[in-house]
Amino acid sequence: GAGVSQSPRYKVAKRGQDVALRCDPISGHVSLFWYQQALGQGPEFLTYFQNEAQLDKSGLPSDRFFAERPEGSVSTLKIQRTQQEDSAVYLCASSLKVLAGLTDTQYFGPGTRLTVL
Amino acid sequence: AQSVAQPEDQVNVAEGNPLTVKCTYSVSGNPYLFWYVQYPNRGLQFLLKYITGDNLVKGSYGFEAEFNKSQTSFHLKKPSALVSDSALYFCAVRDLGNTPLVFGKGTRLSVIA
Repeated sequence: GAGVSQSPRYKVAKRGQDVALRCDPISGHVSLFWYQQALGQGPEFLTYFQNEAQLDKSGLPSDRFFAERPEGSVSTLKIQRTQQEDSAVYLCASSLKVLAGLTDTQYFGPGTRLTVL
Repeated sequence: AQSVAQPEDQVNVAEGNPLTVKCTYSVSGNPYLFWYVQYPNRGLQFLLKYITGDNLVKGSYGFEAEFNKSQTSFHLKKPSALVSDSALYFCAVRDLGNTPLVFGKGTRLSVIA
C-alpha cells in the first residue's frame, strides 16, 4: 500500500484480556518498529525487526508484551493479561533499510489506541 | 544514552508570523536528528532530518531546521505560519550504534488566524 497501516484503529479491552495489534508496513521495507505513546508523551521504543528477525526488544515493558513478524512483512504486537497502565497509542513504523542505516527515515502508521478498562 | 528536550509544551503564533519550535539534544557521538508532526488521530508524519552537511535543512510544507552543534540544538522554523500548521511536533534523535530513535515529549503549535 501507499503507507503503513494498522488495525484496529481503536481497541477497548477489559483488564486481564489478551489483545493483538496488527501492522502492515510499506511494501519492501526491511525494518519495522513498534512504539508506545502514552497520553501527552512522545513515542517510546518497544521493539525492532529486521525482516523476520527481532533484533531489539529492550523497550518491551514486561513479559506480557510479545511481538512477531514471521514472514518479514506483517507484524503483530500481542499484549497478554492487559492492565490499565497498558492504555496508550501503539505506533508502528517501517523503514527501507536495516538499522545500521542510521540515517534512514521511519514512516509511521496511524496507530492503535488501546483503552484498558 | 541519548535524550531530547522540547522546552515548550505549547507555542502560539499568529498566522503569517514566523514560527520556531525548540529542540535540544544529548548524544554521545554524532547526532542524527529528525522532526515529525502529528495531527489528531493520525500517525507521525516525517518533516525533515539532519544527517551531515549543511546546517540548515529544508523539509516538507515549507519547514526548515537549523543544526547548531555548539548549542546542541535543532530548532524547527517556518517563515510564515499557516493555521493548518497547528499540530503536535516531535523532535527525535539517534546516535551511532544500534540505538533506537528517541523522541521528545512534543510541542503543541497553535496558529491563530
